[in-house]
Amino acid sequence: KAGVTQTPRYLIKTRGQQVTLSCSPISGHRSVSWYQQTPGQGLQFLFEYFSETQRNKGNFPGRFSGRQFSNSRSEMNVSTLELGDSALYLCASSLTPNQETQYFGPGTRLLVL
Amino acid sequence: DQQVKQNSPSLSVQEGRISILNCDYTNSMFDYFLWYKKYPAEGPTFLISISSIKDKNEDGRFTVFLNKSAKHLSLHIVPSQPGDSAVYFCAARSTDKLIFGTGTRLQVFP
Repeated sequence: KAGVTQTPRYLIKTRGQQVTLSCSPISGHRSVSWYQQTPGQGLQFLFEYFSETQRNKGNFPGRFSGRQFSNSRSEMNVSTLELGDSALYLCASSLTPNQETQYFGPGTRLLVL
Repeated sequence: DQQVKQNSPSLSVQEGRISILNCDYTNSMFDYFLWYKKYPAEGPTFLISISSIKDKNEDGRFTVFLNKSAKHLSLHIVPSQPGDSAVYFCAARSTDKLIFGTGTRLQVFP
């Protein structure tokens, strides 16, 4: 069974631009969570989707948004990029919410210049 | 505020010895704790977990201890191997989301 895949793996943008990242969960997994990893901050929870609905949201500004499609694939969007948005963005999937174990993708490394 | 803290950013251990990674938390409502391992250019992979109703869970070379009164958990790796060199994150579950610590980089040298 294929793992969680994320595209693109690397991305360079400039301030003010917007970006869309994609995540395909493990087949059969319907819950997708997004995290931002920056040095010294660990993994910060962005949001979680299940059955195309956002179930939880972390403490990030409205520039960060996401959605989930009927096939459980998920996208996250960051508008009006800032230098501080440079980070590794990780997607994790699980069969359902509340599962203790989440399976992570390799991440998308975003660099904002 | 950081609800899950890993105060040691790095740890260096000799191969064959014990590695002890520590994690402190502030929220007594956490019901589940997990450890993830992360290699460079890869996403975190699940290592071991423990329910808040237990105080120990063991899986091969890995053992997690939970001290609820101290709000402290630790991961013991015995014996440590060079392949264990990675960043280790502890995480705690709270109201349907995982809260991660900032990670500890473990280096196991020969």
